[in-house]
Amino acid sequence: EADIYQTPRYLVIGTGKKITLECSQTMGHDKMYWYQQDPGMELHLIHYSYGVNSTEKGDLSSESTVSRIRTEHFPLTLESARPSHTSQYLCASRKGLGGSYGYTFGSGTRLTVV
Amino acid sequence: DQQVKQNSPSLSVQEGRISILNCDYTNSMFDYFLWYKKYPAEGPTFLISISSIKDKNEDGRFTVFLNKSAKHLSLHIVPSQPGDSAVYFCAASAMGGNEKLTFGTGTRLTIIP
Repeated sequence: EADIYQTPRYLVIGTGKKITLECSQTMGHDKMYWYQQDPGMELHLIHYSYGVNSTEKGDLSSESTVSRIRTEHFPLTLESARPSHTSQYLCASRKGLGGSYGYTFGSGTRLTVV
Repeated sequence: DQQVKQNSPSLSVQEGRISILNCDYTNSMFDYFLWYKKYPAEGPTFLISISSIKDKNEDGRFTVFLNKSAKHLSLHIVPSQPGDSAVYFCAASAMGGNEKLTFGTGTRLTIIP
């Protein structure tokens, strides 16, 4: 079944560690996105990609980086985790065509930096 | 500056009655609107969308209404069921703006059996 997968679901890690949040989709979607959500708050776009080797910063400034070497894979990396990075990170994808297609979201990674 | 606003953080509705969730936006460039449903510890699930060329879109128990002059949209769920209990996010996109979604803060809907 076509879907979008995020791993890990939960991660507790110490300050200063390097982490990579994985996101893969099997739908062949061109466009992929990373959103960050704090409890009770809106989702904020932090990164997006329109295809292989295309990455852009989103509306919310983030110290994380992303890469898009393969269509199906869009990992997010934090070189040195800090408590301020504690949040839920949601990956999404959509078809490259216009407006009538909603995003498909992964289940998210809840990151806690201690 | 929050461009998409959901002013009701929570809403409780009796099972079988109508649930109405509201959303206001300020950016006149938005021309596509979506509603998502989110359970705890899961990603949002797409529910229904509407283009700015329409004022109503219906899908089963879910209907979205758009009032462009008031910059307001609403989601109606009829009849409400216990499985509808979740957080509902309104989102908007400007087609010329890279189709990025701008989300509201969500409304927690609780259906009372």
